[in-house]
Amino acid sequence: GAVVSQHPSWVICKSGTSVKIECRSLDFQATTMFWYRQFPKQSLMLMATSNEGSKATYEQGVEKDKFLINHASLTLSTLTVTSAHPEDSSFYICSASERTGGNSNQPQHFGDGTRLSIL
Amino acid sequence: AQSVAQPEDQVNVAEGNPLTVKCTYSVSGNPYLFWYVQYPNRGLQFLLKYITGDNLVKGSYGFEAEFNKSQTSFHLKKPSALVSDSALYFCAVRDLNRAGGFKTIFGAGTRLFVKA
Repeated sequence: GAVVSQHPSWVICKSGTSVKIECRSLDFQATTMFWYRQFPKQSLMLMATSNEGSKATYEQGVEKDKFLINHASLTLSTLTVTSAHPEDSSFYICSASERTGGNSNQPQHFGDGTRLSIL
Repeated sequence: AQSVAQPEDQVNVAEGNPLTVKCTYSVSGNPYLFWYVQYPNRGLQFLLKYITGDNLVKGSYGFEAEFNKSQTSFHLKKPSALVSDSALYFCAVRDLNRAGGFKTIFGAGTRLFVKA
């Protein structure tokens, strides 16, 4: 089946540094990738949707300059948390789909998530 | 204002019995509705979505959900529960008519326990 690899699975870093999280589709071409954030009390938030070769579409309330998303190829999307602070500590999850648009019936395949801890 | 409610924190079902996980929503326009499941050892997975068309949507692992516009509900159902269905289930709604952009709101999650 379709596999999405997310790296790293866990990262701890100092406040003020930038952290990059990678999301790769291993055996399919991901024209659309999604980034989610799961807060400590389990609630989920969709951060942005990215289509290969174009700018990401951010959800309302998500800071574009804080959470930089790049989807430069059909197999890789990255999320960079810039100047990270303790309040950015969270579980970040990516998913990938083989078709674009909300009307597609192509399923989303999820990565295992990245736990980010900012000290 | 856009919102999603999963009124039950936890649902307990015996294996083989039908299960229902409830979800109600409030949006200003026509919603896109989703169900996700988070297994302890397998991470988050997409189950199904309603965009338009038939109100009964069939998804992965034998799950289905029915869009009820008059009751603003999108309950998740399965005719016969399995122990392996035990997980955390999230309902989500995406509002397409919100000025200034899209926003997807997730419910707080419902933990399903299926007992053998």
